[in-house]
Amino acid sequence: QVQLVQSGAEVKKPGSSVTVSCKASGGTFRNYVFNWVRQAPGQGLEWMGGVIPKFGTANHAQKFRGRATITADESTNTTYMELNSLRSEDTAVYYCARTLETDNGADGFDIWGQGTMVIVS
Amino acid sequence: DIQLTQSPSFLSASVGDRVTITCRASQGISSYLAWYQQKPGKAPKLLIYAASTLQSGVPSRFSGSGSGTEFSLTISSLQSEDFATYYCQQLNSYPRYTFGQGTKLEIK
Repeated sequence: QVQLVQSGAEVKKPGSSVTVSCKASGGTFRNYVFNWVRQAPGQGLEWMGGVIPKFGTANHAQKFRGRATITADESTNTTYMELNSLRSEDTAVYYCARTLETDNGADGFDIWGQGTMVIVS
Repeated sequence: DIQLTQSPSFLSASVGDRVTITCRASQGISSYLAWYQQKPGKAPKLLIYAASTLQSGVPSRFSGSGSGTEFSLTISSLQSEDFATYYCQQLNSYPRYTFGQGTKLEIK
């Protein structure tokens, strides 16, 4: 079974950067889209962007363009999310999640990492 | 971006009740809608995709319907483990996926 295992919690200063990793095991890595979703304390889910490892191409939600960078490393089956110029509003749990691909196209996120808490203070 | 509005935002119900949560999209999204369940401190869990297809392993008391701009998630007979927060998500427009604001289902 595919599992996504994320890196540990981080505490960062405002203005600094953070990189969260997400390692996939137990399945094919390169053909799927891997996404990053964040959730501020007590708030809803926010999609940040996604990457397709076999193409090395990433797309970012407009809100995060220029500040977030999502990448993938096929050699280690790992995807990364870097967020720069951190501010207190970036305090959140960051999740990676795999897109479920069906004949219909993209149909939801079926596998999720455990989440990584990032505190900006 | 396509906006998703869930209603209600809070729902109080009892074990055995039938409940329905709705999700309205600001523009048509065909059937590119998914539903998730999230419990405190846990990652979301995919319940329904393509508006009405039950994800493998999800109990049959969960069902989804709708297309275009109006969607619903129904739990036919609430169990104690179903008390959680539910989110809809549209996947019609990549890279502009969005989620609804969530519906918290609480025990009455």
